[in-house]
Amino acid sequence: GDSVTQMEGPVTLSEEAFLTINCTYTATGYPSLFWYVQYPGEGLQLLLKATKADDKGSNKGFEATYRKETTSFHLEKGSVQVSDSAVYFCALKKDSNYQLIWGAGTKLIIKP
Amino acid sequence: EADIYQTPRYLVIGTGKKITLECSQTMGHDKMYWYQQDPGMELHLIHYSYGVNSTEKGDLSSESTVSRIRTEHFPLTLESARPSHTSQYLCASSEGNRGVYEQYFGPGTRLTVT
Repeated sequence: GDSVTQMEGPVTLSEEAFLTINCTYTATGYPSLFWYVQYPGEGLQLLLKATKADDKGSNKGFEATYRKETTSFHLEKGSVQVSDSAVYFCALKKDSNYQLIWGAGTKLIIKP
Repeated sequence: EADIYQTPRYLVIGTGKKITLECSQTMGHDKMYWYQQDPGMELHLIHYSYGVNSTEKGDLSSESTVSRIRTEHFPLTLESARPSHTSQYLCASSEGNRGVYEQYFGPGTRLTVT
């Protein structure tokens, strides 16, 4: 069945460091892929998305490229800030219905 | 900014009480979802609806029930709350048409059953 695997957290970085959070998926066809962010005490917010191979989603300095050949959608940011501390979720849309399949989430901690 | 609302934001209640968690959206979305999540942890789909009078159970078994009488409203009810129901409950909606599949989330209800 379809699945999403994210790197385990917590990921701890210093401010201004380069960020990569790995996400790989298993799915048939060409699923749409998403990154969501959840700040403490809040619901999830859509961060970026990509709907076909080689698409690059970007928002707020974050980027992710849909790589069909490696079935990956890694999240990157060139210079993180303390305010980026949150939990990040990778997700894909199931081919058979409207539901999203979620990764387990990766907690990111940025130290000043 | 997504227009999806949940009330209450926080609820502390005793064992055996009946509770209803409210969720409303003003985007006219057909698809709505309830997730259960321990804070910052994995999301578990417990109920979903693809339109009025349509409800289905999700992947995680739950003792809660839902209804969808109006497009904008998708309440979740627990007939008899137990400490094991202590968790965060997130409501979401999506358009699900024209290739637009992303879900929009409410702020969540943090439920504590004592």
